[in-house]
Amino acid sequence: DTGVSQNPRHKITKRGQNVTFRCDPISEHNRLYWYRQTLGQGPEFLTYFQNEAQLEKSRLLSDRFSAERPKGSFSTLEIQRTEQGDSAMYLCASSLVSGRIGELFFGEGSRLTVL
Amino acid sequence: AQTVTQSQPEMSVQEAETVTLSCTYDTSESDYYLFWYKQPPSRQMILVIRQEAYKQQNATENRFSVNFQKAAKSFSLKISDSQLGDAAMYFCAYRSTGTASKLTFGTGTRLQVTL
Repeated sequence: DTGVSQNPRHKITKRGQNVTFRCDPISEHNRLYWYRQTLGQGPEFLTYFQNEAQLEKSRLLSDRFSAERPKGSFSTLEIQRTEQGDSAMYLCASSLVSGRIGELFFGEGSRLTVL
Repeated sequence: AQTVTQSQPEMSVQEAETVTLSCTYDTSESDYYLFWYKQPPSRQMILVIRQEAYKQQNATENRFSVNFQKAAKSFSLKISDSQLGDAAMYFCAYRSTGTASKLTFGTGTRLQVTL
């Protein structure tokens, strides 16, 4: 068990470019979450999947954001036409449906800087 | 919508001493879960302790314990015998029983541990 893995760890991009982040959850975990964390703030919920189904999306997830979890394994979070306000740490977490309620296993995050 | 408030941006404690981190929340629900998560510098966030609102007994995990005051909507974390490894950001989080998995986090408290 290598934990939740996120790539890339850091991404610097110019405004208007598209970026994609990948998350590999703990192998047997069927739930996967994306959170966004800006400086001085706690993580904010973006979306979550149970297996391959995207079950909830935050209003924070504008139409420039899209997340997928094909085959219920890894997940990708794509941000199109990035804006400076998208600069943040993007956290992925996973959990078991049968696990302790609220116990999420987080990755180290992918830091996005939009110039 | 539920909100979580952590009014102490930073706290400091001497090694081996005890420190209490504060958290208040706002909800109209009667049943829910509360958590404290720890985020060490440049490392992933981990669950420290959880409390189920329908349980009157305060949760305890080794050196970590909570003071859950449901009527006051207060949920503080006490760290006893503080260690250097306790230095981190601590986030209080709330989870409804109705929603599948979304956690609502506070803004965090940075804990420094001094010799």
